[in-house]
Amino acid sequence: EAQVTQNPRYLITVTGKKLTVTCSQNMNHEYMSWYRQDPGLGLRQIYYSMNVEVTDKGDVPEGYKVSRKEKRNFPLILESPSPNQTSLYFCASRPGWSYEQYFGPGTRLTVT
Amino acid sequence: QKEVEQNSGPLSVPEGAIASLNCTYSDRVSQSFFWYRQYSGKSPELIMSIYSNGDKEDGRFTAQLNKASQYVSLLIRDSQPSDSATYLCAVNIRGFGNEKLTFGTGTRLTIIP
Repeated sequence: EAQVTQNPRYLITVTGKKLTVTCSQNMNHEYMSWYRQDPGLGLRQIYYSMNVEVTDKGDVPEGYKVSRKEKRNFPLILESPSPNQTSLYFCASRPGWSYEQYFGPGTRLTVT
Repeated sequence: QKEVEQNSGPLSVPEGAIASLNCTYSDRVSQSFFWYRQYSGKSPELIMSIYSNGDKEDGRFTAQLNKASQYVSLLIRDSQPSDSATYLCAVNIRGFGNEKLTFGTGTRLTIIP
């Protein structure tokens, strides 16, 4: 089954404790993105990657890191999480030739 | 001006009626337009894509695009309670060094039994 997977689905952590949210897709898509979704603000792009080893900042990159060492994986790293990073996070992917984007199931992160 | 703008709602529609959702966008050269449905706490699900002016029908859903007016809409016929969700409009928008899919903040639709 074609899909985007994320882990963990739920995470509660404390300020400053480094964490990684994994994202994997099995559709051989070139383009992958991370979004956060907050009430009233909609989906905001954090980082994106156009292919292996090619990443760039989205609209709200502060406090986040990403890497793209393999085409299928695009982990999101929070080196020192803060409470304002409490949010619902989505990973998404699409082929390089289309803007049709497919989302993972989401990760609900709470930072206390 | 927001790049992709939607009325946040809530929009309440009786069961069996037509629900009409609207979206305007800022980039005159946008070519790709999408509607996503998102249930509370779930991920956005792609339900319609449209690339040319006019109407595109898929089951009970019709997407309408008017590039001259920079306007895209979604009609849901014979609305069902299961259609109650937030609908996100998405458009490819040119930015600084990056052309990306930009989302509106969504319209919350409630179907009243």
